[in-house]
Amino acid sequence: ETGVTQSPTHLIKTRGQQVTLRCSSQSGHNTVSWYQQALGQGPQFIFQYYREEENGRGNFPPRFSGLQFPNYSSELNVNALELDDSALYLCASSLAHQHNGEQYFGPGTRLTVT
Amino acid sequence: QKEVEQNSGPLSVPEGAIASLNCTYSDRVSQSFFWYRQYSGKSPELIMSIYSNGDKEDGRFTAQLNKASQYVSLLIRDSQPSDSATYLCAWGTGANNLFFGTGTRLTVIP
Repeated sequence: ETGVTQSPTHLIKTRGQQVTLRCSSQSGHNTVSWYQQALGQGPQFIFQYYREEENGRGNFPPRFSGLQFPNYSSELNVNALELDDSALYLCASSLAHQHNGEQYFGPGTRLTVT
Repeated sequence: QKEVEQNSGPLSVPEGAIASLNCTYSDRVSQSFFWYRQYSGKSPELIMSIYSNGDKEDGRFTAQLNKASQYVSLLIRDSQPSDSATYLCAWGTGANNLFFGTGTRLTVIP
C-alpha cells in the first residue's frame, strides 16, 4: 500500500454532468499529479499540483480542473462530461524537488460516462 | 512529441524462466526511468527506478538503462505466476509528469 487514497472507487455519470474526484497524498508528500488511464493504455498526465497551484498540465481541455488544499490533498473536477471521459483516474503522490521523481499511485477512481 | 514505445506483447513465459521487457523513448532530456507493475483492475505499482546507465538489481528484478540508445529494459528472473501483470515503463524529466508506454502484458505459465 502506498498510503495514497482516492474516493470514490467507482462512479457512473451521464454525459454533460460534472464530477469531482478526491485524493489524499502519502504522508510527507506535498505534490499530487493526476492521470487518466483509458482501457488498454498507459496513464496520461492531466496536471500536477504543488503548493496549491497548478504546476504543469498535459494535453487536456480546460473543463478538466483541479485544486490542492493546505493539507496537500487534491480534487479533480471534470465539467460537461463526454463519453470518452470514461476511464480510470489515478492520482500520484510525490515529494517536490526530489531528484528521482518517483510517484506513487492511489487505487484510482473508475469513472463511467453513459 | 514525447513517446515511449514498449514491446507490444503479450508475452508468455514458463514458470522459472527469465522474462524480458523492453522500452524505447524518444526524448534525450529524460532523466529518470521507471517500471510499474499493474495487476488487472488495480493501479500501477512502482517496482523499479533507474537513473544512470548500466544495471540496477533488486531481488529478482534487474533494470537496464542505455541512454545513448534511448533504451530501458526490465528482466524478471525465476518468473512466478504472481508476476503475471501488465508492466508499464515510464520516464520523467525529474520535474512534473511521467510519460508512460502502453504496457506489456506478461503471463507466467505454471
